[in-house]
Amino acid sequence: SQQGEEDPQALSIQEGENATMNCSYKTSINNLQWYRQNSGRGLVHLILIRSNEREKHSGRLRVTLDTSKKSSSLLITASRAADTASYFCATPPDTLFGNEKLTFGTGTRLTIIP
Amino acid sequence: NAGVTQTPKFRVLKTGQSMTLLCAQDMNHEYMYWYRQDPGMGLRLIHYSVGEGTTAKGEVPDGYNVSRLKKQNFLLGLESAAPSQTSVYFCASTRRTATNEKLFFGSGTQLSVL
Repeated sequence: SQQGEEDPQALSIQEGENATMNCSYKTSINNLQWYRQNSGRGLVHLILIRSNEREKHSGRLRVTLDTSKKSSSLLITASRAADTASYFCATPPDTLFGNEKLTFGTGTRLTIIP
Repeated sequence: NAGVTQTPKFRVLKTGQSMTLLCAQDMNHEYMYWYRQDPGMGLRLIHYSVGEGTTAKGEVPDGYNVSRLKKQNFLLGLESAAPSQTSVYFCASTRRTATNEKLFFGSGTQLSVL
């Protein structure tokens, strides 16, 4: 069963606007990861936020984590056409060997309109 | 540095045929994974390996077998292919058992079973 669920399933915005997508999960975690998948390609790691962190930045990406609500958000600022992709959150369970079973959500399909 | 390489990239099988998907990584990673991706389902873990000579079942292991005879290679086998196994298959690897490690993905294998 899926641990993480992204919302919305699809999002279309104008180039230059900000894009926000959300991830909710069910069980306690030690970190949450976001990945991007371009059409026909494998997933690429974007950013990892640990359970004791509330916010993290990487370039135009901003990730927040609220462990009390079991949710995370990914914000992409000043979107570009190249940001068109599917975005997935992934969570290992809160165990010593958490990466043994990293589970992914169903993804948010982001389309940037030029 | 090739990273994670999957072969073949595309394959069409008839029901009942067998095949092996090869995943090779050149990063000396301990952990390797096989996922399948279906529309609306996200990525689901089939099997994984925590080191050379080890394998373990994931979320959807039925109909698949795996082997990790060499650290750099992880093979996924379909002994008797079924139409339900039509999917895109992704291999991934990560460095060690630490829980804050990102996954590196191959570019995928598109498999159609007729």
